[in-house]
Amino acid sequence: DTEVTQTPKHLVMGMTNKKSLKCEQHMGHRAMYWYKQKAKKPPELMFVYSYEKLSINESVPSRFSPECPNSSLLNLHLHALQPEDSALYLCASSQEGAEGGTVNYNEQFFGPGTRLTVL
Amino acid sequence: AQSVTQPDIHITVSEGASLELRCNYSYGATPYLFWYVQSPGQGLQLLLKYFSGDTLVQGIKGFEAEFKRSQSSFNLRKPSVHWSDAAEYFCAVGARSYGQNFVFGPGTRLSVLP
Repeated sequence: DTEVTQTPKHLVMGMTNKKSLKCEQHMGHRAMYWYKQKAKKPPELMFVYSYEKLSINESVPSRFSPECPNSSLLNLHLHALQPEDSALYLCASSQEGAEGGTVNYNEQFFGPGTRLTVL
Repeated sequence: AQSVTQPDIHITVSEGASLELRCNYSYGATPYLFWYVQSPGQGLQLLLKYFSGDTLVQGIKGFEAEFKRSQSSFNLRKPSVHWSDAAEYFCAVGARSYGQNFVFGPGTRLSVLP
């Protein structure tokens, strides 16, 4: 299995809602990532988990809360979002990760993304 | 920190024509280099990568890229474009050193004329 899956495909939520995005991979990868992508822009890194520990948080607002329950799963919990948070949220994984925020330079495998709309 | 530029925001080519998408990077050592393609509303698919060795890299869908250290470039090429190649293309660099992240270029949008 060389696939990263993301659910849901689309999500519409109000600013007072709480929702979660889910990402799963079964490639044995030990690093997982969340990216945010606005239209016509490259993906922007949000979080990196390495060996199930948060290793990088790119100064993301606390209304986004990541969670890595095990090495195959990555969640992104959403609460009190703003309309400007509407974007495509991409999950990725890669083979190696290291503790302490070191770079992971192996190729990243991306999921299809969740299209989030905040009303 | 490493950085990536893609000088062409948008390129239009006719189907069957050749294609070259430019990518320049800034990094103090030999980087890891990647090209990804993204169709509208989709995730990113890896086309090819360069880690070391032969500087001409073959990828999927008939794409190739050449690493030129002297020019800090990693241009993507295809000899004959198909209509299905219309998409956004991102060059990315992954550093070999501690504490530096994987960085994407701004992207080049490819349109293909019938």
